[in-house]
Amino acid sequence: QKEVEQDPGPLSVPEGAIVSLNCTYSNSAFQYFMWYRQYSRKGPELLMYTYSSGNKEDGRFTAQVDKSSKYISLFIRDSQPSDSATYLCAPRGGAQKLVFGQGTRLTINP
Amino acid sequence: DAGVIQSPRHEVTEMGQEVTLRCKPISGHDYLFWYRQTMMRGLELLIYFNNNVPIDDSGMPEDRFSAKMPNASFSTLKIQPSEPRDSAVYFCASSLSEKGYTFGSGTRLTVV
Repeated sequence: QKEVEQDPGPLSVPEGAIVSLNCTYSNSAFQYFMWYRQYSRKGPELLMYTYSSGNKEDGRFTAQVDKSSKYISLFIRDSQPSDSATYLCAPRGGAQKLVFGQGTRLTINP
Repeated sequence: DAGVIQSPRHEVTEMGQEVTLRCKPISGHDYLFWYRQTMMRGLELLIYFNNNVPIDDSGMPEDRFSAKMPNASFSTLKIQPSEPRDSAVYFCASSLSEKGYTFGSGTRLTVV
Protein backbone atom coordinates (compact mmCIF):
# COMPACT_ATOMS: atom_id res chain seq x y z
CA GLN A 1 0.00 0.00 0.00
CA LYS A 2 1.28 3.46 -0.89
CA GLU A 3 1.75 5.92 1.96
CA VAL A 4 -0.40 8.47 0.14
CA GLU A 5 -3.25 7.61 -2.22
CA GLN A 6 -4.73 10.17 -4.58
CA ASP A 7 -7.12 9.64 -7.46
CA PRO A 8 -5.21 10.73 -10.60
CA GLY A 9 -8.39 11.74 -12.41
CA PRO A 10 -8.65 13.39 -14.85
CA LEU A 11 -11.36 15.59 -13.37
CA SER A 12 -13.25 18.00 -15.64
CA VAL A 13 -15.79 20.53 -14.31
CA PRO A 14 -17.50 23.68 -15.64
CA GLU A 15 -16.29 27.13 -14.66
CA GLY A 16 -17.78 28.31 -11.38
CA ALA A 17 -18.22 24.81 -9.93
CA ILE A 18 -16.98 23.76 -6.51
CA VAL A 19 -14.12 21.29 -6.82
CA SER A 20 -13.24 18.70 -4.21
CA LEU A 21 -9.84 16.99 -4.34
CA ASN A 22 -8.94 14.28 -1.85
CA CYS A 23 -6.15 12.10 -0.53
CA THR A 24 -5.85 9.34 2.02
CA TYR A 25 -2.69 8.43 3.87
CA SER A 26 -1.52 5.58 6.05
CA ASN A 27 1.24 7.05 8.23
CA SER A 28 -0.21 8.35 11.50
CA ALA A 29 3.06 10.25 12.14
CA PHE A 30 2.21 12.82 9.46
CA GLN A 31 1.63 16.21 11.07
CA TYR A 32 2.04 18.71 8.24
CA PHE A 33 -0.18 18.65 5.19
CA MET A 34 0.52 20.56 2.03
CA TRP A 35 -1.13 20.98 -1.32
CA TYR A 36 0.92 21.78 -4.39
CA ARG A 37 -0.29 22.94 -7.78
CA GLN A 38 1.62 22.03 -10.91
CA TYR A 39 0.97 23.60 -14.28
CA SER A 40 2.01 21.73 -17.40
CA ARG A 41 5.80 21.66 -17.89
CA LYS A 42 6.40 23.58 -14.66
CA GLY A 43 7.59 22.65 -11.19
CA PRO A 44 5.07 22.19 -8.37
CA GLU A 45 4.28 25.31 -6.35
CA LEU A 46 3.06 25.40 -2.77
CA LEU A 47 -0.64 26.28 -2.57
CA MET A 48 -1.71 25.54 1.00
CA TYR A 49 0.00 24.47 4.23
CA THR A 50 -1.87 23.01 7.23
CA TYR A 51 -0.63 21.73 10.54
CA SER A 52 -2.55 18.87 12.21
CA SER A 53 -6.33 18.53 11.91
CA GLY A 54 -8.75 21.27 10.99
CA ASN A 55 -9.54 23.70 8.19
CA LYS A 56 -7.55 26.49 6.61
CA GLU A 57 -8.96 28.97 4.13
CA ASP A 58 -7.11 31.13 1.62
CA GLY A 59 -9.31 33.01 -0.80
CA ARG A 60 -11.20 30.51 -2.93
CA PHE A 61 -9.20 27.58 -1.54
CA THR A 62 -9.93 25.59 1.63
CA ALA A 63 -7.72 22.79 2.94
CA GLN A 64 -9.20 20.29 5.35
CA VAL A 65 -7.45 17.58 7.37
CA ASP A 66 -9.12 14.80 9.34
CA LYS A 67 -6.36 12.92 11.13
CA SER A 68 -8.78 10.44 12.72
CA SER A 69 -9.69 9.09 9.29
CA LYS A 70 -6.37 10.01 7.63
CA TYR A 71 -8.18 12.04 5.00
CA ILE A 72 -7.01 15.25 3.32
CA SER A 73 -9.19 17.50 1.17
CA LEU A 74 -8.79 20.62 -0.94
CA PHE A 75 -11.87 22.59 -1.99
CA ILE A 76 -11.86 25.21 -4.74
CA ARG A 77 -14.83 27.57 -4.84
CA ASP A 78 -15.88 29.51 -7.94
CA SER A 79 -13.39 27.55 -10.03
CA GLN A 80 -11.69 29.39 -12.90
CA PRO A 81 -10.03 28.12 -16.11
CA SER A 82 -6.73 29.32 -14.62
CA ASP A 83 -7.18 26.68 -11.88
CA SER A 84 -6.64 23.97 -14.50
CA ALA A 85 -3.55 22.11 -13.31
CA THR A 86 -2.44 19.00 -11.47
CA TYR A 87 -2.96 19.15 -7.70
CA LEU A 88 -0.70 17.11 -5.43
CA CYS A 89 -1.23 16.43 -1.77
CA ALA A 90 1.96 16.10 0.28
CA PRO A 91 1.93 15.20 3.96
CA ARG A 92 5.02 14.84 6.12
CA GLY A 93 6.06 13.91 9.62
CA GLY A 94 8.70 15.48 11.82
CA ALA A 95 11.46 15.02 9.27
CA GLN A 96 11.57 17.31 6.26
CA LYS A 97 10.70 14.60 3.75
CA LEU A 98 7.42 15.22 1.91
CA VAL A 99 5.55 12.23 0.48
CA PHE A 100 3.63 13.21 -2.63
CA GLY A 101 0.39 11.74 -3.88
CA GLN A 102 0.08 10.79 -7.52
CA GLY A 103 -1.62 14.11 -8.32
CA THR A 104 -5.11 14.82 -9.70
CA ARG A 105 -5.29 16.44 -13.10
CA LEU A 106 -8.04 19.09 -13.06
CA THR A 107 -9.57 20.90 -16.04
CA ILE A 108 -11.99 23.82 -15.61
CA ASN A 109 -14.05 24.32 -18.75
CA PRO A 110 -15.13 27.89 -19.65
CA ASP B 1 15.05 36.13 -5.55
CA ALA B 2 15.52 34.11 -8.72
CA GLY B 3 14.13 30.96 -7.14
CA VAL B 4 15.61 27.48 -7.53
CA ILE B 5 17.62 27.34 -10.74
CA GLN B 6 18.14 24.08 -12.61
CA SER B 7 20.20 23.38 -15.68
CA PRO B 8 19.93 22.22 -18.33
CA ARG B 9 16.18 22.52 -19.00
CA HIS B 10 16.32 19.68 -21.52
CA GLU B 11 18.86 16.93 -22.02
CA VAL B 12 18.88 14.26 -24.68
CA THR B 13 21.62 11.69 -24.42
CA GLU B 14 22.49 8.26 -25.68
CA MET B 15 22.30 5.19 -23.50
CA GLY B 16 25.55 4.62 -21.67
CA GLN B 17 26.56 8.27 -21.51
CA GLU B 18 27.11 10.21 -18.30
CA VAL B 19 24.52 12.85 -17.45
CA THR B 20 24.97 15.65 -14.91
CA LEU B 21 22.07 17.74 -13.70
CA ARG B 22 22.70 20.96 -11.79
CA CYS B 23 20.81 22.90 -9.17
CA LYS B 24 21.26 26.24 -7.43
CA PRO B 25 18.98 26.48 -4.37
CA ILE B 26 17.49 29.64 -2.94
CA SER B 27 20.06 31.52 -0.90
CA GLY B 28 19.68 30.83 2.82
CA HIS B 29 17.69 27.63 2.41
CA ASP B 30 19.17 24.78 4.44
CA TYR B 31 17.46 21.80 2.79
CA LEU B 32 17.87 20.59 -0.78
CA PHE B 33 15.89 17.80 -2.41
CA TRP B 34 16.17 15.89 -5.67
CA TYR B 35 12.94 14.40 -7.08
CA ARG B 36 12.15 12.44 -10.21
CA GLN B 37 8.72 12.64 -11.86
CA THR B 38 7.22 10.16 -14.32
CA MET B 39 3.66 9.51 -15.41
CA MET B 40 3.72 6.02 -13.96
CA ARG B 41 5.33 6.70 -10.57
CA GLY B 42 4.61 10.38 -9.93
CA LEU B 43 7.07 12.39 -7.84
CA GLU B 44 9.70 10.24 -6.15
CA LEU B 45 12.22 11.58 -3.66
CA LEU B 46 15.73 10.50 -4.64
CA ILE B 47 17.88 12.17 -2.00
CA TYR B 48 17.92 15.16 0.29
CA PHE B 49 20.56 17.25 2.02
CA ASN B 50 20.55 19.36 5.15
CA ASN B 51 23.31 21.97 5.44
CA ASN B 52 25.11 20.28 2.52
CA VAL B 53 25.12 16.86 4.23
CA PRO B 54 23.18 13.96 2.64
CA ILE B 55 20.48 12.86 5.07
CA ASP B 56 18.46 10.25 3.20
CA ASP B 57 19.47 8.65 -0.09
CA SER B 58 17.17 5.64 0.17
CA GLY B 59 15.30 6.75 -2.94
CA MET B 60 18.33 6.63 -5.21
CA PRO B 61 17.47 3.82 -7.63
CA GLU B 62 20.88 2.20 -7.87
CA ASP B 63 24.60 2.83 -7.88
CA ARG B 64 24.40 4.52 -11.25
CA PHE B 65 22.95 7.55 -9.49
CA SER B 66 25.02 9.85 -7.29
CA ALA B 67 24.44 13.32 -5.83
CA LYS B 68 26.73 15.88 -4.29
CA MET B 69 26.38 19.21 -2.60
CA PRO B 70 29.87 20.73 -2.33
CA ASN B 71 28.55 24.01 -0.93
CA ALA B 72 25.32 25.73 0.08
CA SER B 73 24.70 27.18 -3.36
CA PHE B 74 25.22 24.20 -5.66
CA SER B 75 24.24 20.57 -6.07
CA THR B 76 24.61 17.98 -8.81
CA LEU B 77 22.83 14.75 -9.65
CA LYS B 78 24.85 12.43 -11.84
CA ILE B 79 23.75 9.32 -13.73
CA GLN B 80 26.49 7.09 -15.07
CA PRO B 81 25.85 5.13 -17.23
CA SER B 82 22.42 6.41 -18.28
CA GLU B 83 19.66 4.05 -19.43
CA PRO B 84 16.37 4.66 -21.29
CA ARG B 85 14.38 3.95 -18.12
CA ASP B 86 16.03 6.99 -16.52
CA SER B 87 14.02 9.22 -18.85
CA ALA B 88 11.95 11.52 -16.63
CA VAL B 89 11.70 15.07 -15.35
CA TYR B 90 14.15 15.69 -12.52
CA PHE B 91 13.27 18.40 -10.04
CA CYS B 92 15.41 20.10 -7.46
CA ALA B 93 13.71 21.82 -4.52
CA SER B 94 14.96 23.76 -1.52
CA SER B 95 13.39 24.80 1.76
CA LEU B 96 14.14 26.65 4.96
CA SER B 97 13.56 24.34 7.93
CA GLU B 98 9.83 24.03 8.60
CA LYS B 99 8.63 25.87 5.52
CA GLY B 100 7.33 24.28 2.35
CA TYR B 101 9.54 23.44 -0.58
CA THR B 102 10.26 25.69 -3.54
CA PHE B 103 10.77 23.70 -6.72
CA GLY B 104 12.86 24.54 -9.74
CA SER B 105 11.49 24.27 -13.27
CA GLY B 106 12.98 20.82 -13.74
CA THR B 107 15.28 19.10 -16.22
CA ARG B 108 13.56 16.93 -18.81
CA LEU B 109 15.90 14.01 -19.48
CA THR B 110 15.53 11.73 -22.47
CA VAL B 111 17.86 8.77 -22.85
CA VAL B 112 17.74 7.15 -26.28
